[in-house]
Amino acid sequence: NAGVTQTPKFQVLKTGQSMTLQCAQDMNHEYMSWYRQDPGMGLRLIHYSVGAGITDQGEVPNGYNVSRSTTEDFPLRLLSAAPSQTSVYFCASWLGRAPTGELFFGEGSRLTVL
Amino acid sequence: AQSVTQPDIHITVSEGASLELRCNYSYGATPYLFWYVQSPGQGLQLLLKYFSGDTLVQGIKGFEAEFKRSQSSFNLRKPSVHWSDAAEYFCAVGEGSGGGADGLTFGKGTHLIIQP
Repeated sequence: NAGVTQTPKFQVLKTGQSMTLQCAQDMNHEYMSWYRQDPGMGLRLIHYSVGAGITDQGEVPNGYNVSRSTTEDFPLRLLSAAPSQTSVYFCASWLGRAPTGELFFGEGSRLTVL
Repeated sequence: AQSVTQPDIHITVSEGASLELRCNYSYGATPYLFWYVQSPGQGLQLLLKYFSGDTLVQGIKGFEAEFKRSQSSFNLRKPSVHWSDAAEYFCAVGEGSGGGADGLTFGKGTHLIIQP
């Protein structure tokens, strides 16, 4: 099915471990982004990409790395996980032309850091 | 920097009653405005959006929202709620040439509870 696919859906890490949250879209969208959702905080932008090879920081980028080697994939890397990174992570792509259009979200990845 | 305020953390409405969820934004130019809904354990789904033109916009599931520039508001309304409307609702704003494609600013959300 077309859409934004995130893996894994659930992950438990220990402090200091590293991991990558995968995000793939098959809609040939140029813009992709990562958000984290914490209780009472809404969604906050971590990183975004306006096309292959181009990424930039959002509101809360510390502790996260991204790359965009292809249009389809936009992985989010945690190099040394911390309990403060316990959150639900959403990948999104932009459906339609900028500036009109809308964010199209994946189903989310719930990460717990012990 | 742009910001979005949703003043009500929780709202309880009886099934069949009308609903209004408030959203205020802070942004100098004409913003790109969105309402998203999130059911428990799910991702976010777009209800409606405003870019320009008619300030009253219609969305899915019977929702509508009105853009009021003078009040910097974009309130969401529904004339008669159903139990299935119980969810978390997020207002969001985008700006600039990207319009939000390069990142939306979200409010903290309003949790809607439907009483039978």
